Amino acid sequence: DTGVSQDPRHKITKRGQNVTFRCDPISEHNRLYWYRQTLGQGPEFLTYFQNEAQLEKSRLLSNRFSAERPKGSFSTLEIQRTEQGDSAMYLCASSFLQGSYEQYFGPGTRLTVT
Amino acid sequence: KQEVTQIPAALSVPEGENLVLNCSFTDSAIYNLQWFRQDPGKGLTSLLLIQSSQREQTSGRLNASLDKSSGRSTLYIAASQPGDSATYLCAVTPPGAGSYQLTFGKGTKLSVIP
Repeated sequence: DTGVSQDPRHKITKRGQNVTFRCDPISEHNRLYWYRQTLGQGPEFLTYFQNEAQLEKSRLLSNRFSAERPKGSFSTLEIQRTEQGDSAMYLCASSFLQGSYEQYFGPGTRLTVT
Repeated sequence: KQEVTQIPAALSVPEGENLVLNCSFTDSAIYNLQWFRQDPGKGLTSLLLIQSSQREQTSGRLNASLDKSSGRSTLYIAASQPGDSATYLCAVTPPGAGSYQLTFGKGTKLSVIP
């Protein structure tokens, strides 16, 4: 399978705990995006990487959130001191650096904070 | 700020019927528009991408049109099948050099009744 993969698919955590999600993009893709989707809403942009550089962050990305993409391959999204409002689906997408910039999405990580 | 609206929020049709899903956006300055399908609890599957210079794209029973000047796109599904039941999301990207982040609508939940 050469699509975008995410791990874990589901995560249940208690409020105040830290969690980390992983995304493996399509191997030839230089750009990697993180989005968050709550129930009944469309996904909202969080941040994006071009190769290993994090070039843009949304105001939704509070200082409890941090994302990395070491060596320009996989990416991790960490949430510290989780809150119930962090419960959502976290989606990763990737695209080529040029052309149509069509984004391909992974299956998502469903986070539930109790 | 770009806003994307999808009407209706939900649609139920009998199997075999042709149908149209609507998407409107407030800022006509877009780079491209993508239509996605999302099954419950799953990630997004890209259906069609229309670049700003194009008027329509077709894939199988799906046809998407774009009228950038009026800020509208439609997704036409021919001969609907129960397997088409899902939430359909449209999203636009801004022009120029940047993140090409997607701005999504809330989606239209389609149910095709056998």
